[in-house]
Amino acid sequence: ETGVTQSPTHLIKTRGQQVTLRCSSQSGHNTVSWYQQALGQGPQFIFQYYREEENGRGNFPPRFSGLQFPNYSSELNVNALELDDSALYLCASSPRGATNEKLFFGSGTQLSVL
Amino acid sequence: SQQGEEDPQALSIQEGENATMNCSYKTSINNLQWYRQNSGRGLVHLILIRSNEREKHSGRLRVTLDTSKKSSSLLITASRAADTASYFCATAKNRDDKIIFGKGTRLHILP
Repeated sequence: ETGVTQSPTHLIKTRGQQVTLRCSSQSGHNTVSWYQQALGQGPQFIFQYYREEENGRGNFPPRFSGLQFPNYSSELNVNALELDDSALYLCASSPRGATNEKLFFGSGTQLSVL
Repeated sequence: SQQGEEDPQALSIQEGENATMNCSYKTSINNLQWYRQNSGRGLVHLILIRSNEREKHSGRLRVTLDTSKKSSSLLITASRAADTASYFCATAKNRDDKIIFGKGTRLHILP
């Protein structure tokens, strides 16, 4: 069973740039959720994808967007980066029928915006 | 937005002692979960308790849920150095809803 993998592990960008983060879900999982975690805080829900459609969104501006592909992998895109976007970005997958019962997390992408 | 609030924010105990963390939440829930995070990396699911359950055990973990008080507690018995981590409670309002995390309790086990 392959776990959730995220790439890259670390990324440094400058303000105003755009970034794409990638996530491969665990084998057999069709739902992917993205979270933003600032230092010392809990993960904040960004959005969830199910069957290639956005299935719920948190309180994040439209410059945060995502995609899910037929193989259930996913991307998180952030445009016009701001300093406050510096955070750990976590991807989590969950199996069909248990999307709100157990999340399987990747190790995250640490994004620094300078 | 954060649904759950953990208490305390930080906790240091001697190895071998029991650690208790509490979580309070605001709205009705379908289930409540606890996760562990080591060194700011990915979170690991520990245990889930449903809204119609009052207590659950898993190894050295014991979770209680009081829906009338909208609160939960996580007890780790006979703590070990490897238990040093941040612990988060997370809630889901219904079967199709997103999972919302609290701010976490940072647990440090002293040798």
